[in-house]
Amino acid sequence: DAGVIQSPRHEVTEMGQEVTLRCKPISGHNSLFWYRQTMMRGLELLIYFNNNVPIDDSGMPEDRFSAKMPNASFSTLKIQPSEPRDSAVYFCASNPGREIPEAFFGQGTRLTVV
Amino acid sequence: DQQVKQNSPSLSVQEGRISILNCDYTNSMFDYFLWYKKYPAEGPTFLISISSIKDKNEDGRFTVFLNKSAKHLSLHIVPSQPGDSAVYFCAASVQKSSGDKLTFGTGTRLAVRP
Repeated sequence: DAGVIQSPRHEVTEMGQEVTLRCKPISGHNSLFWYRQTMMRGLELLIYFNNNVPIDDSGMPEDRFSAKMPNASFSTLKIQPSEPRDSAVYFCASNPGREIPEAFFGQGTRLTVV
Repeated sequence: DQQVKQNSPSLSVQEGRISILNCDYTNSMFDYFLWYKKYPAEGPTFLISISSIKDKNEDGRFTVFLNKSAKHLSLHIVPSQPGDSAVYFCAASVQKSSGDKLTFGTGTRLAVRP
């Protein structure tokens, strides 16, 4: 298995533009998580899905952020409009469920908003 | 409200000596704890875990200790090797059927000097 695949690896965009980050979880995994890494807050959970259904989006910073999981093999995190303070590394992770708490992470997308 | 805290942002040790990374948590509902290791430009990778019913788990050079009364856990690496230089994240979860979201600390950067 190729693991969790994220695209793009790097994204540089201008303030006000829409940004879409993509994630393909590991096949067969039931849960998918979006995390954001910053120096101040470490790895903070933005939203997670179980069986394609959003379970907890309390970590989404504001309405500019939205996430979807249209099927078991694909998820997107969208920021519209983007702001410089959104600059961070965004990670997607998946978990097989079945009482196995370990999550498997993708390589991340480094977002820079200028 | 940081439920998982890693109060030491960095640690430097000599090769061959012991590295001790610490983590504190505030949520008494947490019942599973994990350590992740992260190299630059890569996603975090699972290292070792411990259930709240145990107080120690060992895997080769890595041992995790859990003190539930103090809400404290630690990761011991012995002997430390230069390849262990990375950022280490502590994480905790409340196991339940609808996915196991992980709450992470802010990380500790370990540098092992040759």
